[in-house]
Amino acid sequence: DIVMTQSPDSLAVSLGERATINCKSSQSVLYSSNTKNYLAWYQQKPGQPPKLLIYWASTRESGVPDRFSGSGSGTDFTLTISSLQAEDVAVYYCQQYYTSATFGQGTKLEIK
Amino acid sequence: EVQLVESGGGLVQPGGSLRLSCSASGFTFSSYAMYWVRQAPGKGLEYVLAISSNGGSTFYADSVKGRFTISRDNSKNTLYLQMSSLRAEDTAVYYCVKVMRASTISYCFDYWGQGTLVTVSS
Repeated sequence: DIVMTQSPDSLAVSLGERATINCKSSQSVLYSSNTKNYLAWYQQKPGQPPKLLIYWASTRESGVPDRFSGSGSGTDFTLTISSLQAEDVAVYYCQQYYTSATFGQGTKLEIK
Repeated sequence: EVQLVESGGGLVQPGGSLRLSCSASGFTFSSYAMYWVRQAPGKGLEYVLAISSNGGSTFYADSVKGRFTISRDNSKNTLYLQMSSLRAEDTAVYYCVKVMRASTISYCFDYWGQGTLVTVSS
């Protein structure tokens, strides 16, 4: 199984500042035949199911604010929130869908 | 509007059984693979089972293999999870989840139900 490891486990950022969350996979999730990274990011607020933010490592889901961006390839990925808003407080998960589906342990994002 | 509504959760004793259902609407259910993903209280997300769009292929996490079964009835737009030999560590919210792309099982998840809580305790 592909193991996904996120860092940090928690993060406190001031409003308007940049937040960066990292995700590392135990093996590459880049599919050579289509050069796509099978990596997604989700946001989960308390009492709610997860919400898809980013797929193919860098494609923003429809309706997701452009302050959210994803980058990386192969085994190392990053979710960046360019200017933190109060409504971004949540737990963020990366997920690989290269084989089956596995999630990172989550990163809790709070306001400093 | 896509809707996934889970039902069937509740309190069950260790060793017991439970069947969850997920009623789907707002999309062509028979065209999409579906997953069950669970989340233990205060913990992260765990893929549990998956089923192809026509039900012909199923996939199981090692943690539930031999105990849980996934199935679907495309005529009723309903996904099922049959759980048996339940353990305390199966206590979790169980989410019914739709993959984003038709006819593909390995894909990201664009719609999640609200989840149903299963508590295994004596």
